[in-house]
Amino acid sequence: EDQVTQSPEALRLQEGESSSLNCSYTVSGLRGLFWYRQDPGKGPEFLFTLYSAGEEKEKERLKATLTKKESFLHITAPKPEDSATYLCAARSGSARQLTFGSGTQLTVLP
Amino acid sequence: DTAVSQTPKYLVTQMGNDKSIKCEQNLGHDTMYWYKQDSKKFLKIMFSYNNKELIINETVPNRFSPKSPDKAHLNLHINSLELGDSAVYFCASSHDRMGSGLYGYTFGSGTRLTVV
Repeated sequence: EDQVTQSPEALRLQEGESSSLNCSYTVSGLRGLFWYRQDPGKGPEFLFTLYSAGEEKEKERLKATLTKKESFLHITAPKPEDSATYLCAARSGSARQLTFGSGTQLTVLP
Repeated sequence: DTAVSQTPKYLVTQMGNDKSIKCEQNLGHDTMYWYKQDSKKFLKIMFSYNNKELIINETVPNRFSPKSPDKAHLNLHINSLELGDSAVYFCASSHDRMGSGLYGYTFGSGTRLTVV
């Protein structure tokens, strides 16, 4: 059974304090690793898809990386508007849907 | 223009009632989904339709019945609501044919269902 685990559950940063969120996955034949951002009362918003180990993608202050067992979402010099829950999801070769982790709730204090 | 819209946003109802949630997407996507998000924020797939055909039907009570009149709409009907059905339900769509979501899902804003 595919499993996705995210850590930490919650993270509080000062504005400008860089950090990383972790997503560990156990899937057979990874077809894609996804990152989403979810704001309170809203649906998840797609950020990145990573397909193979060593791949990296960037968007503004966010950079996602992928290894064979984990993905990291690096946040460089975060701002309060980066506060949200960040969700990781994986799709295995045998599955037709994404398996989501429970998310990391990020709070960036001004 | 809203890409994936679902109604209502909030739904409060009594145990035993029957209710429906509607979802529409204007992205031209082939595949639509229903996900349930519990209090711990886990998103779990319930159903997926590709061009009106059911392709994923996870283990959910048969009180839940999806209906897709066309590829732009996927509605969720729930019979005999129970307290444990309280959650946020998200509709989503993607444009890959096999419903793999490899290009990312576009989610609606969710329907918060509270059963009292």
